[in-house]
Amino acid sequence: DGGITQSPKYLFRKEGQNVTLSCEQNLNHDAMYWYRQDPGQGLRLIYYSQIVNDFQKGDIAEGYSVSREKKESFPLTVTSAQKNPTAFYLCASSDPRRTTYEQYFGPGTRLTVT
Amino acid sequence: AQSVTQPDIHITVSEGASLELRCNYSYGATPYLFWYVQSPGQGLQLLLKYFSGDTLVQGIKGFEAEFKRSQSSFNLRKPSVHWSDAAEYFCAVGVLTGGGNKLTFGTGTQLKVEL
Repeated sequence: DGGITQSPKYLFRKEGQNVTLSCEQNLNHDAMYWYRQDPGQGLRLIYYSQIVNDFQKGDIAEGYSVSREKKESFPLTVTSAQKNPTAFYLCASSDPRRTTYEQYFGPGTRLTVT
Repeated sequence: AQSVTQPDIHITVSEGASLELRCNYSYGATPYLFWYVQSPGQGLQLLLKYFSGDTLVQGIKGFEAEFKRSQSSFNLRKPSVHWSDAAEYFCAVGVLTGGGNKLTFGTGTQLKVEL
C-alpha cells in the first residue's frame, strides 16, 4: 500500500537537545510538507519542498531545519533554538502535477520536550 | 493573504441528526477548497474537495459540501450522523505561490456525537 510513514509515533527529549523526525513516502510525490499542530490552532506550515534538493520556509520555520536529499524522504530537525517544541508534527505529500492541491498526511509524531 | 475561518470550535449532535459545519474563506481568486477529518492522535484524511464545476461536491463517508462564492463559504454537511463521525474537522484553502502549492487551514471544529 502506498502511503506516508512517520516515526516514531511518540518522542521524548530533554530541553536543549536537537531531535530529528522522520517522514517517508512511497506515493511517488514530488512535494512534501511539515506542519505543526497545537490545540486550538489548526495546522501551521513549517517547511515545504517541491522537489529534491530544494525547500522553502513556511509560516513558522524558526527553530527548525529540513533536508530533501531523496524524493521519498523529508526529515525535520527540531533544534534547541525552537522555544516551544512540544507539539504534534504532521508530514504530508502531494503531486504538484495535479492542480487540485490535495495533500496526503502521515499519522504524525507527538514530540514532548521537558 | 488567504485565510480560513471555522467559527464553531465545538459542536455536539445526537446520533442520527443532521450536521452542518461552517467554513468561510478569504482569497482573491477562485479557491481550491478542502475538508479533512482527524481522529484523536491520528493524521488527517481528505473528505472532499472543490476546485471547479458543480458547487455541491460529494465526499467519502456520506459527507457533502457546498461552495457558495457569494458568501465565501464551503460548509460541510451530513444528513445523518453516526457515532463514528466524532472527530475534528478542518477546512482548508489551496493556493499557488511562487514556491509551489500550499494549503491554509482553519483552526478546526471538534464534533461530539451523543448516543
